[in-house]
Amino acid sequence: GAVVSQHPSWVICKSGTSVKIECRSLDFQATTMFWYRQFPKQSLMLMATSNEGSKATYEQGVEKDKFLINHASLTLSTLTVTSAHPEDSSFYICSARWEGGTGSYNEQFFGPGTRLTVL
Amino acid sequence: RKEVEQDPGPFNVPEGATVAFNCTYSNSASQSFFWYRQDCRKEPKLLMSVYSSGNEDGRFTAQLNRASQYISLLIRDSKLSDSATYLCVVNTGGGNKLTFGTGTQLKVEL
Repeated sequence: GAVVSQHPSWVICKSGTSVKIECRSLDFQATTMFWYRQFPKQSLMLMATSNEGSKATYEQGVEKDKFLINHASLTLSTLTVTSAHPEDSSFYICSARWEGGTGSYNEQFFGPGTRLTVL
Repeated sequence: RKEVEQDPGPFNVPEGATVAFNCTYSNSASQSFFWYRQDCRKEPKLLMSVYSSGNEDGRFTAQLNRASQYISLLIRDSKLSDSATYLCVVNTGGGNKLTFGTGTQLKVEL
């Protein structure tokens, strides 16, 4: 299957700082990437859909000014958590949509996730 | 009501047992259905897609009942390595948006 990487794997930061997470599709191009968040013992929740060359589409309740998304190339999307607070501590996972299929659904390949802890 | 509901478990079963999980979804317009596997502190990985006619992949069988809006996963001859959380995932269309259930935890024991 296709490979998606995420960096960093984990990060610990102080409250009020900003953290940038990178998501890369290593062996395919992805016009669309997705950012999810998962709190302990909860399901993955879609935060936003990242579109190459255009603005991201945010899900209801997700602050676009706090979670900045940039999808500047077909292989890279970044999520910046601005002015992070302890309640932002979570597991952030990206996925990249493979567009080589012929069906109505194109499989998403997930990155390994980034564990963010805000002190 | 949650869009995708699963029994969180955990289900503790002995090695070699057969175990089944169910999942219900609320959006009747949902188009595609999947089972993902997630190991602790790891990303989810696609286990199998679920087709209307039912499908099998080795020890794993998935079924879809559109009328009742539920999906099932059957694992036969369970192995210790099957221990994980199984996520029921539904694609409601409109850009491949995926909705995840909270997952069902399976623990296979000796």
